[in-house]
Amino acid sequence: ETGVTQSPTHLIKTRGQQVTLRCSSQSGHNTVSWYQQALGQGPQFIFQYYREEENGRGNFPPRFSGLQFPNYSSELNVNALELNDSALYLCASSPLAGAVDTQYFGPGTRLTVL
Amino acid sequence: AQSVTQLDSQVPVFEEAPVELRCNYSSSVSVYLFWYVQYPNQGLQLLLKYLSGSTLVKGINGFEAEFNKSQTSFHLRKPSVHISDTAEYFCAVSGAGSYQLTFGKGTKLSVIP
Repeated sequence: ETGVTQSPTHLIKTRGQQVTLRCSSQSGHNTVSWYQQALGQGPQFIFQYYREEENGRGNFPPRFSGLQFPNYSSELNVNALELNDSALYLCASSPLAGAVDTQYFGPGTRLTVL
Repeated sequence: AQSVTQLDSQVPVFEEAPVELRCNYSSSVSVYLFWYVQYPNQGLQLLLKYLSGSTLVKGINGFEAEFNKSQTSFHLRKPSVHISDTAEYFCAVSGAGSYQLTFGKGTKLSVIP
């Protein structure tokens, strides 16, 4: 049990729609990272937020955006959904910016785009 | 930039037999190395990590890994596997001080009774 929770667990959307995924970080963790894990692949880094500001971004288009709130919760928003956005989305929280060695992953949200 | 290659996509092994899951990485800077396990329909759990110091790293559930800088490898080993070790295992690398992990494509370990 890592203390990192995600909601919903599963979600089905249609192409072109918008989706919001939520993550609740472990208490005291002011950094959250989001990863996309397509079927049969390893997770890919989307972006990291530190103290409510984007701290780094992977190779994902601007229609992937995020928010981080003072209460240790965060959101991943994806606009104009495409079929290949279907994946498991993982969030990971850590107590320090850039501290990948102390981050804890949540159970993920599985998004299916039809 | 870093990259990770997991050399085997699937590894079947009999219960109580030893296992090695192979991982090679490339990086132009000092690295941190990690192994994660993912059980079906679950998130990632950290097995072990190498940051610095001793090249032999011990983790949870009896797993260990050895960092070999000259061969740019970080292979995961367990001397005797159990049915409950059936899962997918991911090797990951990060540049020291970097904010992101780069993962391999994973190795599915199947333990046969």
